[in-house]
Amino acid sequence: DGGITQSPKYLFRKEGQNVTLSCEQNLNHDAMYWYRQDPGQGLRLIYYSQIVNDFQKGDIAEGYSVSREKKESFPLTVTSAQKNPTAFYLCASSTPPPDTNEQFFGPGTRLTVL
Amino acid sequence: AQKITQTQPGMFVQEKEAVTLDCTYDTSDPSYGLFWYKQPSSGEMIFLIYQGSYDQQNATEGRYSLNFQKARKSANLVISASQLGDSAMYFCAMREGYTNAGKSTFGDGTTLTVKP
Repeated sequence: DGGITQSPKYLFRKEGQNVTLSCEQNLNHDAMYWYRQDPGQGLRLIYYSQIVNDFQKGDIAEGYSVSREKKESFPLTVTSAQKNPTAFYLCASSTPPPDTNEQFFGPGTRLTVL
Repeated sequence: AQKITQTQPGMFVQEKEAVTLDCTYDTSDPSYGLFWYKQPSSGEMIFLIYQGSYDQQNATEGRYSLNFQKARKSANLVISASQLGDSAMYFCAMREGYTNAGKSTFGDGTTLTVKP
């Protein structure tokens, strides 16, 4: 079955530590995205990548970093510079224009900073 | 300015009745796409329906239809014959142009509760 996997489902981090969230897709999509969701709110774009070895900042990139070395993988690192990292993180992928560009989402990772 | 506005934080509907979730958007790009997603309490985002800015007909997918009023910049989701499993958060989203690799801007969502 094609889809997006994210791991781990729950992640606990101590203040001052970097942590990496995994995102893998086998949909053969070129574009991948990372979103952050705070309780009761919508999704905000952190980073996105249109193609391997290329990525762009979204609306809230400060304190985060990404890499895109393989088409299937788009890991997100939450660094110690991110002041309030406790949130739900969603990874997504999509087909390029002129397709509808609906986004396929992973199950999410819930990060808690202790 | 908000690009996607969902003015209903919470909505209630009786089982088997229809419900409309509001969404207005703001863009100056003539080419855009509008999406609705469902987010159950488990957290995953489920794509429901898509409307392109040049589509002449309103989109429909099973019990979901999108009431697209371009001049009013409105893209309301209509769910017919509500079911208990429809209780979830619903997000409206917009993709502007064809050069943004599909990245979308999301509204703040509407929490729908279906009453038995």
